[in-house]
Amino acid sequence: SQQGEEDPQALSIQEGENATMNCSYKTSINNLQWYRQNSGRGLVHLILIRSNEREKHSGRLRVTLDTSKKSSSLLITASRAADTASYFCAPSSYSGAGSYQLTFGKGTKLSVIP
Amino acid sequence: DTGVSQNPRHKITKRGQNVTFRCDPISEHNRLYWYRQTLGQGPEFLTYFQNEAQLEKSRLLSDRFSAERPKGSFSTLEIQRTEQGDSAMYLCASSLVGARNEQFFGPGTRLTVL
Repeated sequence: SQQGEEDPQALSIQEGENATMNCSYKTSINNLQWYRQNSGRGLVHLILIRSNEREKHSGRLRVTLDTSKKSSSLLITASRAADTASYFCAPSSYSGAGSYQLTFGKGTKLSVIP
Repeated sequence: DTGVSQNPRHKITKRGQNVTFRCDPISEHNRLYWYRQTLGQGPEFLTYFQNEAQLEKSRLLSDRFSAERPKGSFSTLEIQRTEQGDSAMYLCASSLVGARNEQFFGPGTRLTVL
């Protein structure tokens, strides 16, 4: 399975601290995406990193990708209470049916304590 | 609102009844995806459309499930003879061909089968 697997499953930090979440996957990808989901809501796209990129930044987010280790990490700096959510990585790979599919793991549940 | 919309947001039904959900994607998006998400899990791919053609279906999509996208715009997902195991959040997402498969998700329809 191409499913992304996030680690840790849960993370609790104080506001202002940095949060790091890791993701591992199994086969080749064309890109890897990170999504956030607030409780009971839909997913929000955060950032996409292509397979030929090693690092990408967007605001307080920093994503790294190591294709040799088949792993990625998401760093959220200077966390805020509003960052409390579940975070999913989604490797994107060709499905063989004319599309690139995303496969999601169980996510990391981040709690930021004010 | 120019995002992905889903209706209804919540549906409670009795076992054995049929239910239908609707998804309206972002207007210029030609790809549309359905996912199912249960508590504590990430979204699981069900099926996807490119324009009006249903190009891929997951093995999760039993014969009781059918999806349509008749004019390449909105889509419906019908579940016949619902079972308690069908209780889940049903998520719809849309994307543009060639846009690196960045998917935009709707808020989801939460189904409870009693």
